[in-house]
Amino acid sequence: AQSVTQLGSHVSVSEGALVLLRCNYSSSVPPYLFWYVQYPNQGLQLLLKYTTGATLVKGINGFEAEFKKSETSFHLTKPSAHMSDAAEYFCAVSRRTGGFKTIFGAGTRLFVKA
Amino acid sequence: DTEVTQTPKHLVMGMTNKKSLKCEQHMGHRAMYWYKQKAKKPPELMFVYSYEKLSINESVPSRFSPECPNSSLLNLHLHALQPEDSALYLCASSQLDMGQSSDTQYFGPGTRLTVL
Repeated sequence: AQSVTQLGSHVSVSEGALVLLRCNYSSSVPPYLFWYVQYPNQGLQLLLKYTTGATLVKGINGFEAEFKKSETSFHLTKPSAHMSDAAEYFCAVSRRTGGFKTIFGAGTRLFVKA
Repeated sequence: DTEVTQTPKHLVMGMTNKKSLKCEQHMGHRAMYWYKQKAKKPPELMFVYSYEKLSINESVPSRFSPECPNSSLLNLHLHALQPEDSALYLCASSQLDMGQSSDTQYFGPGTRLTVL
């Protein structure tokens, strides 16, 4: 069975500081991996995804994530936080062989201080 | 166009009311999903339709009744809901290739439902 663990339900950074949101997954085979962002009272927006190929994935809004198979991790980073990055971030995993279920982590709320 | 639209944005209903939530996409996706999201929680899968047929029902109570009238539309009919059903209801869609879902789900903005 697949699962996703996001370390830290809340992360607070200063504007301009590095953003690091942690995600570890459990899967018997390499899965597809995603990061979604959710702003208050809105739906989920895909930030980036890893399916195959290059393990460093670049997404929208300056975010990137690195797939590390040996560590079963897919941490999300951004070099310099903006106030507009304050939101809920969900790491998610789905099976490579199809199927419809995407398993979401519990989410990490990012706070950005001025 | 990578947009999934949902109506209404907000809905307040009593426990004896009947209402419907609507979702629409024009990306040619043949898989559509309903999720329920409580505050400060991740989305929980409720239903999946593939090729307009119900593929997954995550043991959702019968007071929630999904319907997929065509490949672009997805409805969720609500009847005799309970206050604990108050949540954000999200619709999503994804491509199907040879019957298998592609990797990415595209989400709508959600309907904020309050049951009094």
